[in-house]
Amino acid sequence: QITLKESGPNLVKPTQPLTLTCTFSGFSLSSDGAGVVWIRQPPGQALEWLALVYWDDDKHYSPSLKNRLTITTDTSKNQVVLKMTNMDSVDTATYFCAHKGGFGELQYWGQGTPVTVSS
Amino acid sequence: EIVLTQSPGTLSLSPGDTATLSCRASQSVSISYIAWYQQRPGQAPRLLIYGASGRATDIPDRFSGSGSGTDFTLTIHRLEPEDFAVYYCQRYGSSPAYSFGQGTKLEMK
Repeated sequence: QITLKESGPNLVKPTQPLTLTCTFSGFSLSSDGAGVVWIRQPPGQALEWLALVYWDDDKHYSPSLKNRLTITTDTSKNQVVLKMTNMDSVDTATYFCAHKGGFGELQYWGQGTPVTVSS
Repeated sequence: EIVLTQSPGTLSLSPGDTATLSCRASQSVSISYIAWYQQRPGQAPRLLIYGASGRATDIPDRFSGSGSGTDFTLTIHRLEPEDFAVYYCQRYGSSPAYSFGQGTKLEMK
């Protein structure tokens, strides 16, 4: 049974960085083909892909956000961490992590964690 | 960069109807890397269709995916009340690794 859960601050001040942690179980990020994805969804808006990390530590970022994002892994803790710098009100959203399947499908999602950017 | 455009933005149908949702890619995409999701309010997206025409776990056969090249379709037969939600298409590949459509809201007429 694959599960994922996001954790991090619910409130961030403008210009401050955001650090979110995805803690997962039921798979190993060391296994060939494994990957974890971060996605966000502003209130009432569509899903937006942010970042992807593969089992071999290959990392990919959204072109529009790549200068602000860093994705890292701690395989010993079964965690994937997303850092986003210089937060702004437009970054207010629910942030999800998800497990990447063999065709890139995202069958397993965390429940999401809401983040509000406000002073 | 591959962009996915979904249509219509909103689809108003009744229970028992058939829904046809469209997803158009700005460049040719293998259907193997197209997926469809359902999202109900306050919930994480739920995978419906992936890998050409595979249905995810516990997804009824009323849901089906088809298409090729740049045009892909999610069809939902015999709509049930719980099917009224927002639907997203998604593409996996490179440059960028993932893209999502902007969603189609399926509402009850």
